[in-house]
Amino acid sequence: GAVVSQHPSRVICKSGTSVKIECRSLDFQATTMFWYRQFPKKSLMLMATSNEGSKATYEQGVEKDKFLINHASLTLSTLTVTSAHPEDSSFYICSASDGPKLFFGSGTQLSVL
Amino acid sequence: GENVEQHPSTLSVQEGDSAVIKCTYSDSASNYFPWYKQELGKRPQLIIDIRSNVGEKKDQRIAVTLNKTAKHFSLHITETQPEDSAVYFCAASGIGTASKLTFGTGTRLQVTL
Repeated sequence: GAVVSQHPSRVICKSGTSVKIECRSLDFQATTMFWYRQFPKKSLMLMATSNEGSKATYEQGVEKDKFLINHASLTLSTLTVTSAHPEDSSFYICSASDGPKLFFGSGTQLSVL
Repeated sequence: GENVEQHPSTLSVQEGDSAVIKCTYSDSASNYFPWYKQELGKRPQLIIDIRSNVGEKKDQRIAVTLNKTAKHFSLHITETQPEDSAVYFCAASGIGTASKLTFGTGTRLQVTL
């Protein structure tokens, strides 16, 4: 299957700081990538759809000014959690489509102190 | 929007027995149904998928069935092994790279010796 790389895998930051997470499709081009959030023992919650060269589409209830998404190239999308707070602590995971199939990055465990 | 329900939430089987996980979806326009396996702290891995023009698909010990009339699809794992222990998610979407996947709530499968 296609390979999606995500970095960093784990980050611990102080409250009020911003954190950037990168998602790359390594062996295919992805005009669309997706960002999910997953709480412990819960399902994946779609946060936003990242579109190359245009603005991201956010799901209802997700603050676009809080979670900034940039999809500057066909292989890279970034999620920036701005002014992070403890309630933003979670597992964030990206995905990219290679045709109809969706492949996931390895995820980022964010812990905000 | 699409709503996917998944049952059971937990499932414990003895090694060698079969496991069945069931999902229902609400949007009749959905036509792509993948299944993902997620081990603790890892990314979801696509294990099998089925499109609406097919009623059943099999890959070694794993099979998926789809009843489009009833909006119901199931994952069947035969001859279960301890390494099958994980959380399994069903999902549904339309076909296409920009189609969003809606995930079920997950089933925690435990295969005991």
